[in-house]
Amino acid sequence: EVLLVESGGGLVQPGGSLRLSCTASGFIFGSFPMNWVRQAPGGGLQWVSYISSTATNIIRYADSVKGRFTVSRDNDKNSLFLQMDSLRAGDTAVYYCARESTHSFDIWGQGTMVTVSS
Amino acid sequence: DIQMTQSPSSLSASVGDRVTITCRASQSVDSWLAWYQQRPGKAPKLLIHKASILESGVPSRFSGSGSGTEFTLTISSLQPDDFATYHCQHYDTYPWTFGQGTKVEIK
Repeated sequence: EVLLVESGGGLVQPGGSLRLSCTASGFIFGSFPMNWVRQAPGGGLQWVSYISSTATNIIRYADSVKGRFTVSRDNDKNSLFLQMDSLRAGDTAVYYCARESTHSFDIWGQGTMVTVSS
Repeated sequence: DIQMTQSPSSLSASVGDRVTITCRASQSVDSWLAWYQQRPGKAPKLLIHKASILESGVPSRFSGSGSGTEFTLTISSLQPDDFATYHCQHYDTYPWTFGQGTKVEIK
């Protein structure tokens, strides 16, 4: 079964940091680009970050997180990461990792909640 | 950034109804558009990519059409499992953006 499982969410104070993880199974992880997408409570979906598959080493970020978030992957461990620094209240959301196929997101994890509050 | 606008934001319909949701882009995205279904408390599920290509396993009552700036998602005969929120997303140029969602509720 193709599966993505996120972890690492929680409550953090403004200005703090969190590191999210996403573990993949059931497919050749290194062959697929991966993304992070978030959804604020009661809100719509927002693309956050992209990392290419092994070959091209391309990384992209939404302007709202550029300079604060860092995406990385460890293909040997079938894992995707999102290091989130200088967190703000506006970063409060469910964070999903999503596999990219034909440029759309064909497999999603169950999400992990990040709450930024004092 | 390309803005995606869905209409309506919500609708009430009955089982068996034909439902159409529209997604408009602020500039052309060619056919680089996907549709997702999201049930409450769950992750989105890809239904359609490249505007009209149905994902494997998605019932044929779902269909997508359009290109450029205007797209539609149609459910030909609404079923109980279809009550959910639907999102469009373009993937023409970064940043990829989503519509605000259309909630389909039971009448």
